[in-house]
Amino acid sequence: AQSVSQHNHHVILSEAASLELGCNYSYGGTVNLFWYVQYPGQHLQLLLKYFSGDPLVKGIKGFEAEFIKSKFSFNLRKPSVQWSDTAEYFCAVNFYGNNRLAFGKGNQVVVIP
Amino acid sequence: DAGITQSPRYKITETGRQVTLMCHQTWSHSYMFWYRQDLGHGLRLIYYSAAADITDKGEVPDGYVVSRSKTENFPLTLESATRSQTSVYFCASSVGTSGEVGELFFGEGSRLTVL
Repeated sequence: AQSVSQHNHHVILSEAASLELGCNYSYGGTVNLFWYVQYPGQHLQLLLKYFSGDPLVKGIKGFEAEFIKSKFSFNLRKPSVQWSDTAEYFCAVNFYGNNRLAFGKGNQVVVIP
Repeated sequence: DAGITQSPRYKITETGRQVTLMCHQTWSHSYMFWYRQDLGHGLRLIYYSAAADITDKGEVPDGYVVSRSKTENFPLTLESATRSQTSVYFCASSVGTSGEVGELFFGEGSRLTVL
């Protein structure tokens, strides 16, 4: 089955620390990849996306993600987090031929001032 | 302002009642989706639609009905609400072609409580 895995559901870190969130998917074919962020009480917003080209993608608010095809991974990174990055982060994958996005279960990130 | 809007934003109802959550988008996106979000489960797809008059089941369709007579509207109906349907419901839309879906744009969500 096509699935998306996110590990370390709860992450707590201090301001200025680096953040890396893992995302792995189960399918070996062509995919579109996304990271979404959900701030407390709000809806999901797009952080970044990968369709093709340079596997290192830069998004909003200093986030970036790297697509490693051989590892079926699309990990999210930020070198130095701020308190305002406290949110839930979701990885999502569109498996070609499938008219939907599959979401991971999310990472709850808390940044301590 | 153009976008995707959901109504109502908050709803309290009783077990057994019928509830309809509305979703309207102004972009003429072909794809529309309904998700529910519950603690510990992330986002789960209820139903989706690739175009007007085309709908399909997602992961958790039981107890829900959808229709899409117009491209811009995608209402979700709970025919007989149960407590397990207490959740936050998100509607989303996207451009796409057959078999490929692009970025999803989400509505603000509808928080439903079933007593």
